[in-house]
Amino acid sequence: DAGITQSPRHKVTETGTPVTLRCHQTENHRYMYWYRQDPGHGLRLIHYSYGVKDTDKGEVSDGYSVSRSKTEDFLLTLESATSSQTSVYFCAISERTGGGEKLFFGSGTQLSVL
Amino acid sequence: ELKVEQNPLFLSMQEGKNYTIYCNYSTTSDRLYWYRQDPGKSLESLFVLLSNGAVKQEGRLMASLDTKARLSTLHITAAVHDLSATYFCAVEEGFKTIFGAGTRLFVKA
Repeated sequence: DAGITQSPRHKVTETGTPVTLRCHQTENHRYMYWYRQDPGHGLRLIHYSYGVKDTDKGEVSDGYSVSRSKTEDFLLTLESATSSQTSVYFCAISERTGGGEKLFFGSGTQLSVL
Repeated sequence: ELKVEQNPLFLSMQEGKNYTIYCNYSTTSDRLYWYRQDPGKSLESLFVLLSNGAVKQEGRLMASLDTKARLSTLHITAAVHDLSATYFCAVEEGFKTIFGAGTRLFVKA
């Protein structure tokens, strides 16, 4: 299994508070992604990174920011959590050496915003 | 903007039957993936399809890609209960991989 660790695994927070989720990889893969999973929507891309300090927006980036200061860590921050951000968040990594590289997923973080 | 549509979204089938899940997408990508997710678990890669006409098979599952029709299919042969899961197709465009909404498959004994 790819070495991907998400923390925390579960979090309950209140509306308006900032929240940071962490994704840590031991594979030295260049590409990292944050997705959220909601019933009926599949997985939606929030932000992604194609290298240290190189990030870009995905499909549903409003209300989220990311940072990647080291190859192994990709942080997702909810600047001011809202109830609509209650979701399961998955981190994924990919090497993409020759194109067509599949994603490896972390175990997910269940976030509840009350 | 890339759109990926799967159908059906929910499928209940009897063991031993055959069925096909469809994945349509809106761009000219030739890189398509299928993933499986068991309840409460993460996603695992099933197939990587990288060219028009690509066909991959593993066990009772076979995936194919028609880039001209922008269509991929996941065919299930003689379904068994262990195949019950949610199946996602995903299409790569640039650095991004965009997922369909998923097909929740339930195989009844």
